[in-house]
Amino acid sequence: KQEVTQIPAALSVPEGENLVLNCSFTDSAIYNLQWFRQDPGKGLTSLLLIQSSQREQTSGRLNASLDKSSGRSTLYIAASQPGDSATYLCAVRPSNDYKLSFGAGTTVTVRA
Amino acid sequence: SQTIHQWPATLVQPVGSPLSLECTVEGTSNPNLYWYRQAAGRGLQLLFYSVGIGQISSEVPQNLSASRPQDRQFILSSKKLLLSDSGFYLCAWDRGYNSPLHFGNGTRLTVT
Repeated sequence: KQEVTQIPAALSVPEGENLVLNCSFTDSAIYNLQWFRQDPGKGLTSLLLIQSSQREQTSGRLNASLDKSSGRSTLYIAASQPGDSATYLCAVRPSNDYKLSFGAGTTVTVRA
Repeated sequence: SQTIHQWPATLVQPVGSPLSLECTVEGTSNPNLYWYRQAAGRGLQLLFYSVGIGQISSEVPQNLSASRPQDRQFILSSKKLLLSDSGFYLCAWDRGYNSPLHFGNGTRLTVT
């Protein structure tokens, strides 16, 4: 069974600092990995999707890397802003399966 | 562009009452549709998914059911709600294994 872990569960940083969020998974046989953002009381917003054949994916200030063999992904957010405060979740899609396995998320607070 | 609508946003229902949550997707055809539940401390749990009209796969045996009467409409139902059905229900869609998963804004259900 795929287990997805996100550590730490929460972190607080001053504005302008770069954010590094970690995601680890136990089964390397994945099809792709997604990072999501969730604001309080809202649904999840897809940030980045990395296919298993890719090493990284970038969108604006966001960069996500994937090391499938070691079961790790990292989401980097450059020059953090208070508006980046949210919970960030990662999810892996097993090969040929509709069911994603989600991590519990990391709640980020960016202090002004 | 594609959008997903989910309603109602909040719902308070007594134990034993029926439930009907609706979700519709616009701007795409033949999407895969999903119902998730997010409970505090338990992460995201996949309840049902559908890859076509009338086709429903259940992930968790419970007193909930799902139906897909039209291509872009997904309904979550219950005949008699339990206290344990309280939670945040999220509808989502994607276009297949290679595409990102997109969520609605969710329904906060409280069973009293």
